[in-house]
Amino acid sequence: QQQVKQSPQSLIVQKGGISIINCAYENTAFDYFPWYQQFPGKGPALLIAIRPDVSEKKEGRFTISFNKSAKQFSLHIMDSQPGDSATYFCAATTNRDDKIIFGKGTRLHILP
Amino acid sequence: DVKVTQSSRYLVKRTGEKVFLECVQDMDHENMFWYRQDPGLGLRLIYFSYDVKMKEKGDIPEGYSVSREKKERFSLILESASTNQTSMYLCASSEPGQPYGYTFGSGTRLTVV
Repeated sequence: QQQVKQSPQSLIVQKGGISIINCAYENTAFDYFPWYQQFPGKGPALLIAIRPDVSEKKEGRFTISFNKSAKQFSLHIMDSQPGDSATYFCAATTNRDDKIIFGKGTRLHILP
Repeated sequence: DVKVTQSSRYLVKRTGEKVFLECVQDMDHENMFWYRQDPGLGLRLIYFSYDVKMKEKGDIPEGYSVSREKKERFSLILESASTNQTSMYLCASSEPGQPYGYTFGSGTRLTVV
């Protein structure tokens, strides 16, 4: 049972373009939605996160949009750069335990 | 710089061998986790531990066991390695109440031949 569905599986974007990765969840008990970024040969690292009482959170070129009624959230990377090429994981968790449920990941490639 | 260290970057083992993957964290975190990462399947939780000598099964525990004798060290054990356990293994740690604050190691790529 996949609790966090992520799409697309892979994405190619031109330098300077907007990269968009979408995720959906079913468990309304989730109360924290982090995104992790993983470069080749490295472990995932926390990129940005949002709580469901906020509709948008922006950190530099990275923005999370959250739609609680639709149970969907997305990551937007503005002015995408080749250095953004990585695998991105959306995730969800609750305050009742310390486990994170990860999406299956999106391999992003930014063309120079 | 805080970190999670996985003892081996690459391992090649034979089918049937007993395999130990070691993970050490220097952040005094209570929680530790083992995931495997496979293309198209994302990160799947194998086992986790919220305290010394405590362990809980994750989503795919079959064929694995774990050991946590000290707070900083969490070992993943493949009792009898099989080819379908060829994968990237990732260890992570976090503090209780801060699940978003996972710190991952760089991973161990295990090949079972």
